[in-house]
Amino acid sequence: DADVTQTPRNRITKTGKRIMLECSQTKGHDRMYWYRQDPGLGLRLIYYSFDVKDINKGEISDGYSVSRQAQAKFSLSLESAIPNQTALYFCATSDFPGGYTFGSGTRLTVV
Amino acid sequence: GQQVMQIPQYQHVQEGEDFTTYCNSSTTLSNIQWYKQRPGGHPVFLIQLVKSGEVKKQKRLTFQFGEAKKNSSLHITATQTTDVGTYFCAGPSIGNTGKLIFGQGTTLQVKP
Repeated sequence: DADVTQTPRNRITKTGKRIMLECSQTKGHDRMYWYRQDPGLGLRLIYYSFDVKDINKGEISDGYSVSRQAQAKFSLSLESAIPNQTALYFCATSDFPGGYTFGSGTRLTVV
Repeated sequence: GQQVMQIPQYQHVQEGEDFTTYCNSSTTLSNIQWYKQRPGGHPVFLIQLVKSGEVKKQKRLTFQFGEAKKNSSLHITATQTTDVGTYFCAGPSIGNTGKLIFGQGTTLQVKP
């Protein structure tokens, strides 16, 4: 099994719909992150959490929310999806100060 | 704000040629990390450099951290088709070392 599992892998949704992307990890790490990847823009941080009771906004949090349900689970929600949220979304986990372990990503298309 | 920049954005090489990507930070970094993302895949952690002037090798890959800890490079000797992908550098955010700032990445294409 993968260390970081993201579901769904692909999703097409309509503008205005609410959608949740889920992430779970088996690394036992406290720190979890949600990144968005767009061509030419690299990886941009949406939200991050350093433990179950800690939630922080990243550089592009507008239009997104998160929930840290347990040490192993960190979900990302788009309350009302819009087309410019079409992107590849990655969840990651880390221990400090080590490298990140990324999930396989969710490709989201908003039409 | 803090920025991490990479050049070039794209590089096409013939198999067997060398390749180098450069990473520059607007601030001094406590460490720098490198990741590789294969086409259609996810970023995979390659290495972390911590010391000023540090050089580390992984087979044909050589990673350097600048003396001022504001720049880094990844050099691949004699590229192979398996080297294809996007290489990202990332450094810790100032005042929040658990949060990484990623460069835009360098996409390497290798012609067989």
